Amino acid sequence: DAKTTQPNSMESNEEEPVHLPCNHSTISGTDYIHWYRQLPSQGPEYVIHGLTSNVNNRMASLAIAEDRKSSTLILHRATLRDAAVYYCILKGAQKLVFGQGTRLTINP
Amino acid sequence: DTGVSQDPRHKITKRGQNVTFRCDPISEHNRLYWYRQTLGQGPEFLTYFQNEAQLEKSRLLSDRFSAERPKGSFSTLEIQRTEQGDSAMYLCASSEMDRGPNEQFFGPGTRLTVL
Repeated sequence: DAKTTQPNSMESNEEEPVHLPCNHSTISGTDYIHWYRQLPSQGPEYVIHGLTSNVNNRMASLAIAEDRKSSTLILHRATLRDAAVYYCILKGAQKLVFGQGTRLTINP
Repeated sequence: DTGVSQDPRHKITKRGQNVTFRCDPISEHNRLYWYRQTLGQGPEFLTYFQNEAQLEKSRLLSDRFSAERPKGSFSTLEIQRTEQGDSAMYLCASSEMDRGPNEQFFGPGTRLTVL
């Protein structure tokens, strides 16, 4: 399974944008880049995914480098409810292969 | 509530006992997944079903673990002769087959503590 590298933790302030980076230099041509997050005491929840082009949805934006070796999850205006562990996952087959993720702390 | 449900939410057992967990996926979701999560780690894949067929099993799924999905609806995960190392959160997820990103919807998990 292709591997992703994320910072262990990040901190931001409420109502400010947050950029969560992910490196995936061994990504294959058919791997989708998925992001999930896990709020405290809950199961993971899907955030966004992409293949080559940048993507936007109601939760976040995903910026994918031209060579696809890295990507950035962007939360445009962080709220306290965005405090969670964010996982960047390369999905080629059915299963999700989670790494350690980035623990995001939001300061009021 | 139309999300993925898991029962029980918490289970405390003594080493050597058998335990069984149940997962009810979102109705009409063809695929069902089991993951295990220990403290401070991301979830680890255990197995997945497409309808009633178990299509993939992780090497983590020792012979003490068995999962079933009779009739392609709910699923059960049984752990026989539990060990302290089995203490973890067991997560179930479901997804539609071959539609969009195959987004997986997770349940709240069953927290197992083996004494």
